[in-house]
Amino acid sequence: SFELTQSPSVSVSPGQTASITCSGDNLENRYVCWYQQKAGQSPLLLLYQDTRRPSGIPARFSGSNSGNTATLTISGTQATDEADYYCQAWDSSTTHALFGGGTQLTVL
Amino acid sequence: QITLKESGRTLLKPTQTLTLTCTFSGFSLATPGVSVAWIRQPPGKALEWLALVYWDDDKRYSPSLKNRLTITKDTSKDQVVLTITNMDPVDTATYFCAHSGPNNVDLDFWGQGTLVTVSS
Repeated sequence: SFELTQSPSVSVSPGQTASITCSGDNLENRYVCWYQQKAGQSPLLLLYQDTRRPSGIPARFSGSNSGNTATLTISGTQATDEADYYCQAWDSSTTHALFGGGTQLTVL
Repeated sequence: QITLKESGRTLLKPTQTLTLTCTFSGFSLATPGVSVAWIRQPPGKALEWLALVYWDDDKRYSPSLKNRLTITKDTSKDQVVLTITNMDPVDTATYFCAHSGPNNVDLDFWGQGTLVTVSS
């Protein structure tokens, strides 16, 4: 069955670039979206259709999707970016959606 | 402005059926391409996609839970209802509903979530 795999945790220093990856079979053939979830809050859509940002999302959040891996890149990481990040895609063969296991971003 | 809010019983015993209602505003489920999904998150764990209903009443379910889930919509009331049968303590989670815009796969607006606890 189709699965999305994320590293459990990523650490980054303030001001540096954080990369969070999401892996799945032939992922480049599916649209991937990314969510940020801060403690005690509902998820927030960060990116959709691999690279597009909803209104109000800062440009320092960007995305790519190639081969089997989609990547969320956070440039100039801030302390306020400390959160859990989830990727999501659709399993077209069975027509249902699924999430990756989430990545906890720590800003040291 | 799009808003969604989940409601329903928050404490159940094992084997009982959970019924959750998502009441929304700012959009219509009669609009072509629009959908509403349910997602859950056990305490300290990852998000899990459960089910989705489209504007045309097409429905999608998580394969792992399909036999226990039913999603329905009431367009006149701006509500989507999720039922989960045979609840178990492992179903303890915060349950969210979320909106997806026309022909999109992303969830762009989320409710605040409701914590459902299953315990004997």
